[in-house]
Amino acid sequence: QVQLVESGGGVVQPGRSLRLSCAGSGFTFSSYGMHWVRQAPGKGLEWVAVISYDGNNKYYGDFVKGRFTISRDNSKNTLYLQMNSLRPEDTAMYYCVKSEKATIMGSWFDPWGQGTLVTVSS
Amino acid sequence: EIVMTQSPATLSVSPGERATLSCRASQSVSSNLAWYQQKPGQAPRLLIYGASTRATDIPARFSGSGSGTEFTLTISSLQSEDFAIYYCQHYNTWPPYTFGQGTKLEIK
Repeated sequence: QVQLVESGGGVVQPGRSLRLSCAGSGFTFSSYGMHWVRQAPGKGLEWVAVISYDGNNKYYGDFVKGRFTISRDNSKNTLYLQMNSLRPEDTAMYYCVKSEKATIMGSWFDPWGQGTLVTVSS
Repeated sequence: EIVMTQSPATLSVSPGERATLSCRASQSVSSNLAWYQQKPGQAPRLLIYGASTRATDIPARFSGSGSGTEFTLTISSLQSEDFAIYYCQHYNTWPPYTFGQGTKLEIK
């Protein structure tokens, strides 16, 4: 079955960087767009970024403001989120999610990974 | 950016009764709307897409309706495992794909 496994979360100081990874299996990874969605503790869901099947098209939530970069390595069936200049308000569970489309165009999200927790604190 | 607004924030319903959750979009999203269920400590799970199509393995007691700006998720006869937080989300063509703030469905 389709499985997404995130890794790379942890505790990081404000202003530092972190790279999240998401390994996909059970489907043809290179054929689908992929998203990152985050959830601050006790809060709702916030869409972060999307990347097309080939990595050529990307789009970010406004709050990213050039700090985050989504990328993928289809040879490794892996999605990434490089997060720079981290702020305390970036503290959240970060979920990797599969799109039903190859492009960045609209699609429902299914399935979701189990998430990786990022804590930004001094 | 399209703003999604869910109501009520919290809904108290007895097991076996019907629950009706609402979601409103600030502009038309056609039928490009999904519903997700999230239980404590778990990732969200897709329930409904295309406003009314149940996802794989979702019980028939879950149904979605609406189009344009007004949407409804109905759970016909609540089971104990249905008490959770429910989110709507639009995916109308172009990002950002915003979520509603969620409705917490609790046991009355």
